[in-house]
Amino acid sequence: NAGVTQTPKFQVLKTGQSMTLQCAQDMNHNSMYWYRQDPGMGLRLIYYSASEGTTDKGEVPNGYNVSRLNKREFSLRLESAAPSQTSVYFCASSETWGGVSDTQYFGPGTRLTVL
Amino acid sequence: DAKTTQPPSMDCAEGRAANLPCNHSTISGNEYVYWYRQIHSQGPQYIIHGLKNNETNEMASLIITEDRKSSTLILPHATLRDTAVYYCIVRPRGTGGFKTIFGAGTRLFVKA
Repeated sequence: NAGVTQTPKFQVLKTGQSMTLQCAQDMNHNSMYWYRQDPGMGLRLIYYSASEGTTDKGEVPNGYNVSRLNKREFSLRLESAAPSQTSVYFCASSETWGGVSDTQYFGPGTRLTVL
Repeated sequence: DAKTTQPPSMDCAEGRAANLPCNHSTISGNEYVYWYRQIHSQGPQYIIHGLKNNETNEMASLIITEDRKSSTLILPHATLRDTAVYYCIVRPRGTGGFKTIFGAGTRLFVKA
């Protein structure tokens, strides 16, 4: 039981390049999330998927797109990377959306640098 | 969503109890108090949550005041590995949506 896994762990991009961050969970959770964390800051929600087949914007969605590929996988895409997107990206999952079973479990993070 | 206020940093001696306070004076009746922590360079880790009763698990205890306007996370015997940033989060229950809002948290330093 690996929990939440993310790939890659590190990535360096040039401005304007695109890439997809991958996230998978093996806990049979319904809900998944993407956060970013800038140095010295708390986490900010980018997008979330309450259940398979649905996605919604979080606090800072501009410049990102997401795909809930199936129940296990939730990817985050940067279409045209900008230096402002340099950050650490965390994926999380929870059993349910809302209610008492929505404790979130986080992956190890992807450290992205955009030059 | 209710806002939370935490001290930016705290120190604790190894083996002693670490008491981390959180103020959430605007909490609503249907909002839970959650605690997470983030050890350097790792993803946040769930610790404990509660509604109005005190809670305890293998990691920590959560004490919520009777008026629910503040809470305290207690690590009973802090170790060096407990050095981390601790986040207090207040969020509503139910099916209307769930957005975990992480603020700046409290940086706990456990010293030998």
